[in-house]
Amino acid sequence: DAKTTQPNSMESNEEEPVHLPCNHSTISGTDYIHWYRQLPSQGPEYVIHGLTSNVNNRMASLAIAEDRKSSTLILHRATLRDAAVYYCILNAGGTSYGKLTFGQGTILTVHP
Amino acid sequence: EAGVVQSPRYKIIEKKQPVAFWCNPISGHNTLYWYRQNLGQGPELLIRYENEEAVDDSQLPKDRFSAERLKGVDSTLKIQPAELGDSAVYLCASSPRVSSYNEQFFGPGTRLTVL
Repeated sequence: DAKTTQPNSMESNEEEPVHLPCNHSTISGTDYIHWYRQLPSQGPEYVIHGLTSNVNNRMASLAIAEDRKSSTLILHRATLRDAAVYYCILNAGGTSYGKLTFGQGTILTVHP
Repeated sequence: EAGVVQSPRYKIIEKKQPVAFWCNPISGHNTLYWYRQNLGQGPELLIRYENEEAVDDSQLPKDRFSAERLKGVDSTLKIQPAELGDSAVYLCASSPRVSSYNEQFFGPGTRLTVL
């Protein structure tokens, strides 16, 4: 399985944008890039996913590098509720369809 | 729409005792997953079901762990006997069907403590 590399932790102030980076240099052409987050004492929650083009939804934006070897999750205005562990995951195709391999993720702290 | 339901939320047992976790996925979701999450780590897949068939159980420790999904809806994960190292959060997730882009919906998990 292709691996991802994320910073262990990041900090932000409330109402400021947050850019969470992820490196995935061994990504294959059919791997989707998924982001999940996990709030304290809850199960992971889907945030966004993409393949090649940048994606936007109500929660966040996903910027994917042209060579697909890295991506950035963008929270446009962080709130205290966004404090969570953010996981960048490559969702493979073929026989590994649906298999999410979580790393340790990035712990995001949001300061009031 | 109701989310993934898991019970119990917390369980404390002594080592060598059996324990079972129950999961009810979102209605209509054919794919069901069980994950284990150790403290400070990301979740790790234990088993994946497509309807009632276990299609990926390569990470399930089969000497003490078992799972079933009768009728392709609810699922039960069992540990017998439990060991100290089994203390973790056990998460259930479901998705409409498996693909490389389908999101998975997670339940709140069952926190198991083995004494």
